Amino acid sequence: AQTVTQSQPEMSVQEAETVTLSCTYDTSESDYYLFWYKQPPSRQMILVIRQEAYKQQNATENRFSVNFQKAAKSFSLKISDSQLGDAAMYFCALRKAAGNKLTFGGGTRVLVKP
Amino acid sequence: DSGVTQTPKHLITATGQRVTLRCSPRSGDLSVYWYQQSLDQGLQFLIQYYNGEERAKGNILERFSAQQFPDLHSELNLSSLELGDSALYFCASSVVSSGGAGADTQYFGPGTRLTVL
Repeated sequence: AQTVTQSQPEMSVQEAETVTLSCTYDTSESDYYLFWYKQPPSRQMILVIRQEAYKQQNATENRFSVNFQKAAKSFSLKISDSQLGDAAMYFCALRKAAGNKLTFGGGTRVLVKP
Repeated sequence: DSGVTQTPKHLITATGQRVTLRCSPRSGDLSVYWYQQSLDQGLQFLIQYYNGEERAKGNILERFSAQQFPDLHSELNLSSLELGDSALYFCASSVVSSGGAGADTQYFGPGTRLTVL
């Protein structure tokens, strides 16, 4: 079985500042994929960023970047230059390469203060 | 807009009733996944269909069933509803089914909020 843990229920950040969300996971697979999804108040699930476990280079998508530590099974998300529109729930998710079920963490709520 | 559509957006019904949730995947996507998001269970995978066939099952109750039709839209049927079935039900779609489809990403619909009274 695979598990995903987000230890921070809520994080607060000042507009234009940087915030880092933590995610740890457990899987016996050697090949897998990690995702961060954003869920704003509209409840839509929006893909933020994706990381292939076989890639050593950390993924980056505009103001969003990850710190992927495979040995430690850690996958944190950094939001730089935070904007009011970044306020949302953020979910870390894991998918095996051979299967397609997403396993989600419990989520971290991000509050952005103007 | 992810390209995945779900109807209805909201559904209010009573215990013991049966409802059907509908999902249309993105154009070209053959796989459809159903997830349930509830306050106590978080986001959980229910079931996956690929090109009309069931491909994977998760924590889906026996009272729940799903199917995917030849036009690739999918329906999730929930019967003998209980208060605890109140949740947000998401449909997601992707291009492939399984087997090392590395870049395969699931795109989510807007969800159907089910309230059981």
